[in-house]
Amino acid sequence: ETGVTQTPRHLVMGMTNKKSLKCEQHLGHNAMYWYKQSAKKPLELMFVYSLEERVENNSVPSRFSPECPNSSHLFLHLHTLQPEDSALYLCASSQDPGYEQYFGPGTRLTVT
Amino acid sequence: DQQVKQNSPSLSVQEGRISILNCDYTNSMFDYFLWYKKYPAEGPTFLISISSIKDKNEDGRFTVFLNKSAKHLSLHIVPSQPGDSAVYFCAASAGDNFNKFYFGSGTKLNVKP
Repeated sequence: ETGVTQTPRHLVMGMTNKKSLKCEQHLGHNAMYWYKQSAKKPLELMFVYSLEERVENNSVPSRFSPECPNSSHLFLHLHTLQPEDSALYLCASSQDPGYEQYFGPGTRLTVT
Repeated sequence: DQQVKQNSPSLSVQEGRISILNCDYTNSMFDYFLWYKKYPAEGPTFLISISSIKDKNEDGRFTVFLNKSAKHLSLHIVPSQPGDSAVYFCAASAGDNFNKFYFGSGTKLNVKP
């Protein structure tokens, strides 16, 4: 138990659906992150939030829309995804940007 | 272009022996390096880190070595235990963009009893 929870753990969605991934951290950290891990590939950073402000947006398609309402919660809103977006989506938090990150268990997303 | 590479996708070691996991990087601006361990169905867990001002950092059975001239990082686990069987990722960041960590693709370690 790392203090970072993610829901749902598994999600299957069609290309026309809209869904959201949720992340919550109980560590009192100031920074939160979304990563994508595709099969046989390294983790790819998607977004970084520091004190609820987005500080990094790593050329992610607009069909992925992050939201950070407060320093404990992070969402990833998904709409009109493509099958190649199927991957493990990991949320992480750290004391501040640049510090070691604590990861949630991930959401396994399948786009059909 | 992958800036952090782990060229061995897997490693098998006997219990009690040393495990050496390797990582190479291409960006000379990287100055902070981390190792994570990942069990199936869980997120990566932070293990140990090193900054570029040091060439070695130890924490119990885990030691990370940094060779800046070779742009090479290694993690030594001594003695290896079956519970160490997991996927190990190295990651790096640069001081001019410390928000962003670059990860290797991982090495799957199997420690045989």
